[in-house]
This record gives sequence, C-alpha cells and structure tokens, in this order.
Amino acid sequence: GAVVSQHPSRVICKSGTSVKIECRSLDFQATTMFWYRQFPKQSLMLMATSNEGSKATYEQGVEKDKFLINHASLTLSTLTVTSAHPEDSSFYICSAPHSGWGETQYFGPGTRLLVL
Amino acid sequence: GESVGLHLPTLSVQEGDNSIINCAYSNSASDYFIWYKQESGKGPQFIIDIRSNMDKRQGQRVTVLLNKTVKHLSLQIAATQPGDSAVYFCAENIGGATNKLIFGTGTLLAVQP
Repeated sequence: GAVVSQHPSRVICKSGTSVKIECRSLDFQATTMFWYRQFPKQSLMLMATSNEGSKATYEQGVEKDKFLINHASLTLSTLTVTSAHPEDSSFYICSAPHSGWGETQYFGPGTRLLVL
Repeated sequence: GESVGLHLPTLSVQEGDNSIINCAYSNSASDYFIWYKQESGKGPQFIIDIRSNMDKRQGQRVTVLLNKTVKHLSLQIAATQPGDSAVYFCAENIGGATNKLIFGTGTLLAVQP
C-alpha cells in the first residue's frame, strides 16, 4: 500500500511554544491530506482538510489560528500547533487518499505531543 | 466535537475462533466504507473496504458485510490470532467531493491464547 510518514514521532514541549508536525506522502502525490487528533481510548476526530495550493478547511470547533495548516507541495502538509497548552497534548495523525475520489486513505504513524 | 466515553467496547475471543466486530454508521449518503486496525501507539492500518453497491467483500481471513437498510457494517475475522489484537475502527466516506472519513467509536479486540 501507499506510504505516509510523519515527523516527529513524538515531541515534548513547554507550554506556550509552537510545534510543527510534518506529513509526507512518500510514493504518491496527494492534493488533499487530512489531520486528525486522537485522545487515549477514543476514536479519531477529523480536525481539518489540507488542500494543496489553497486554504485548509477546518471542522466545526477547530480553531484555525491555533492549528495552522500549510500544504506547500503535493507530498507535504504541515500542522503547527501554536502556543501549545497541556490540553493540546494528544496523538496527531495525518492521512492521504491514494488517488482520486473515494479512494482508500492511508494513515501516517502518528505524532505524540506532550505539552508540559 | 468531543468524543464521549473513555472506555472502548471490548470483544474477547479465544485464539482460533472467529471474531465479528460490528459498527453502525450515521449517514445514509455514505458510499464507501473502510475497516482499519490500530495497534497501540500507531496509526490506523487499512484492512478492507467496501462500496455501497456491494453487500459483501472478502479478503484474506477477513470479510466485510454491509447492510444499508439498517446502516450497519460488520467485520468478520476468521481463525483469530494473537496478532489480531488491536482496536478496530469502521470509517464512512460521506460522499461528495470532500473525501472525508468519519470514524466510529472503535472496538478493542482481545485475543486470548
């Protein structure tokens, strides 16, 4: 299957700092990528749709100024958690559809963020 | 929105038995469904998918059944193995041009040796 990578795999930061997470499609191009967050023992919650060359689309209740998304190329989307606070600690996962509409989405390995 | 509940439903089976994991989806317009397996600390891994014009699809040791009338999906795993222990999520593609997936609450499958 298609491969999606994320970097870093885990990060610990101080409250008030910003953290950038990268999502890359390694062997295919993705005009669209998706960002999810997942709390322990809970399901994945879609945060936003990252669109190459245009603004991201955020789900209801997700602060766009808090979670900055940039999709600079067909293989890279970044999520920046700005002024992180302990409640932002979570598992952040990205995905990308392999090709076309309705095709299988492949997920990255996730990034564990801990804000102290 | 926030997820509710801190405890995943759990299915405990004996090694070698068949497992059936169920999922109810919410949107009658959804036209594509996927089952994912998630091991602890990892991203979801694709298992099998099915489109709304089908009611059954088989893979290696896995079968997905779709009942659109009652908006229900199931994942059947034959001869369950300890390596199958994980959380299983169903996801629905809500259709249209967005390609967005909405995930179910998940089921923890615990395989007893």
